[in-house]
Amino acid sequence: AQSVTQLGSHVSVSEGALVLLRCNYSSSVPPYLFWYVQYPNQGLQLLLKYTSAATLVKGINGFEAEFKKSETSFHLTKPSAHMSDAAEYFCAVSERSQGNLIFGKGTKLSVKP
Amino acid sequence: EAGVAQSPRYKIIEKRQSVAFWCNPISGHATLYWYQQILGQGPKLLIQFQNNGVVDDSQLPKDRFSAERLKGVDSTLKIQPAKLEDSAVYLCASSLLGVIGDTQYFGPGTRLTVL
Repeated sequence: AQSVTQLGSHVSVSEGALVLLRCNYSSSVPPYLFWYVQYPNQGLQLLLKYTSAATLVKGINGFEAEFKKSETSFHLTKPSAHMSDAAEYFCAVSERSQGNLIFGKGTKLSVKP
Repeated sequence: EAGVAQSPRYKIIEKRQSVAFWCNPISGHATLYWYQQILGQGPKLLIQFQNNGVVDDSQLPKDRFSAERLKGVDSTLKIQPAKLEDSAVYLCASSLLGVIGDTQYFGPGTRLTVL
């Protein structure tokens, strides 16, 4: 069965520092992987997705993620954190033909001035 | 392009009462999803529609939850009777085709509090 593990329920960084949010997946077939961001009292917004075209995926707001099959990982990074990046981030996997998503528990990112 | 619309945004009810949520997906999207997001967890799929047919409702508690998507456009999710553990945010999402890799677009959610 497919699953997603996000290491660290809370991550705190200083403004301008590197952001690294970890995601490991379990899948018996090549997966499609997604990162979504959720701001308070809002729905989820797609940051980026991996669909096997390229292992390094660039998304919105300066975020990117690298698919590493050998490590079953899809970590999200951003070189320099901004205060507006404070939100909750969810990693998700899709491998079933009808496209439903399995989400991780989320990582809440705090950015200190 | 208008996004996914949901109403109401907030709802407070007492246990054993009934409640209904409404969702209008992005125009032209064939697939509609309802997710339940309990505080501190990621969203969990409750039901998936393809046009007006159910594709997956394996995680829907059918003794109390029901959903319909008449005419393949908007959808209603109902809980009757509600339990304390149903307190959560109910998210509606839609996608163009409903196939693997298809992007899902989410509405703002309905926050349900059951007292």
